[in-house]
Formats: sequence, C-alpha cells, structure tokens
Amino acid sequence: DIQMTQSPSSLSPSVGDRVTITCRASQSIRSHLIWYQQKPGKAPKLLIFDASNLHSGVSSRFSGSGSGTDFTLTISSLQPEDFATYYCQQSYTTPLTFGQGTRLEIK
Amino acid sequence: QVQLQESGPGLVKPSQTLSLTCNVSGGSISNDGYYWSWLRQLPGKGLEWIGYIYYSGSTYYSPSLESRLTLSLDTSGKHFSLKLTSVTAADTAIYYCARATYSWDITGYFPYFDFWGQGTLVTVSS
Repeated sequence: DIQMTQSPSSLSPSVGDRVTITCRASQSIRSHLIWYQQKPGKAPKLLIFDASNLHSGVSSRFSGSGSGTDFTLTISSLQPEDFATYYCQQSYTTPLTFGQGTRLEIK
Repeated sequence: QVQLQESGPGLVKPSQTLSLTCNVSGGSISNDGYYWSWLRQLPGKGLEWIGYIYYSGSTYYSPSLESRLTLSLDTSGKHFSLKLTSVTAADTAIYYCARATYSWDITGYFPYFDFWGQGTLVTVSS
C-alpha cells in the first residue's frame, strides 16, 4: 500500500495567515493527489483533484501543487470557515489511501 | 445535484454481519462514469477506503477487508449496499457512502470522491 504522510498534524494560524500543508507519498503517485476538507460532524468535502485542479465551487484561496511524492495545499488568506481538518488522498492505485489529517485550530 | 444517504443499524453484535444501504437521489447509479463507494472513519481517526462498485457491477475491495466484504448494486439504480461479515469492535466507525468520479489517461483511471453521504455511526458491541 502507498503510505501518505501529512505535516504538520496540527496548526494554530490566525485569520488572514497564509497556510501550507504538506503531503508526502511513500512512492511516486505522479500528479494523482486529492485534497479534502472535513469539519466536525460532517463528511469530507472535495477541494482539489489531480494535485492542482480546483473542484467546482471551491474558493480560489485554496491551491495545490506538487508531483511525484511531495505535494502542498496552500490557503492564501485563512478565513474563519477554513478551520477544519484537511486530508490528502492518493488516487494512483488501489487500495486508495489517505493521510492522517492536518487539523487547523483557531489560535 | 447528486445526494447520498446511508441507512442501516447503528448497533451490531460482534461476529454478526454489518449491512448498510446508500440511497442515491438526483442521479442514477446505472449511469456510466462513476464508482459507487464506501469509506469509513474510526472514531477520532482518519479515513479508510473500503471499496467501490462500478455501474457494471465490477467490484474493487480493500485487501484488508476483502475476505469479509460484499458490495452490490440495486437494479432500480437508486441504491447500493455493503455487507461486512464477522465484525469486531475494530469495525466500529462512521461509515460513508460516496460517489467517485475519476481522471484518466492512457495508463488508467484515478478515482476521487466528489459527493458524500452524511455518514452513519456503526458501533460493534454486545
């Protein structure tokens, strides 16, 4: 199985901050990396697919980059509604696997 | 817009079978182009892919669950189901159904989840 490792596990930024979350795959997954946002008690919500493609309706303050084994999710100017847990997922091969999550907590 | 809703017992006894159904509205599971999926989230933990079923009936299972798992589609095109046998406390989780779309190239298909149900908590306990 491909292992996905996110860093950091948690972060306490302030509103307006630029935030970067990293996801590393245990082997190359080319550009087949997905980002989701999950709020407490809710299902995950798709943000970005294929490493850098913004899903329909998602704010342009979210962006993704990377290829191979190293990927980043960037939130350009953090808004109050962005405090949530973020997960990466590799779609390169089954079993599909997820990172352990990065929790953004209000400072 | 597609909507998905899980249903099934919230409590299952150890060694019994966990059965869940996902009702799909706003679209048909008989249409080409989507994988109808199950995932779970252990309490306070991350996400785990369980498996998915294509509209044709082809199934793809996580190797860690494959020996206990059956996914099926209803011929009405309105719902799909999960059966997980011989459950233990380790199967206690929030179970989600989801639609997987995919990107593709000459090397294959690369699925990701664009619509999710709200999730249902299943507890395995006597």
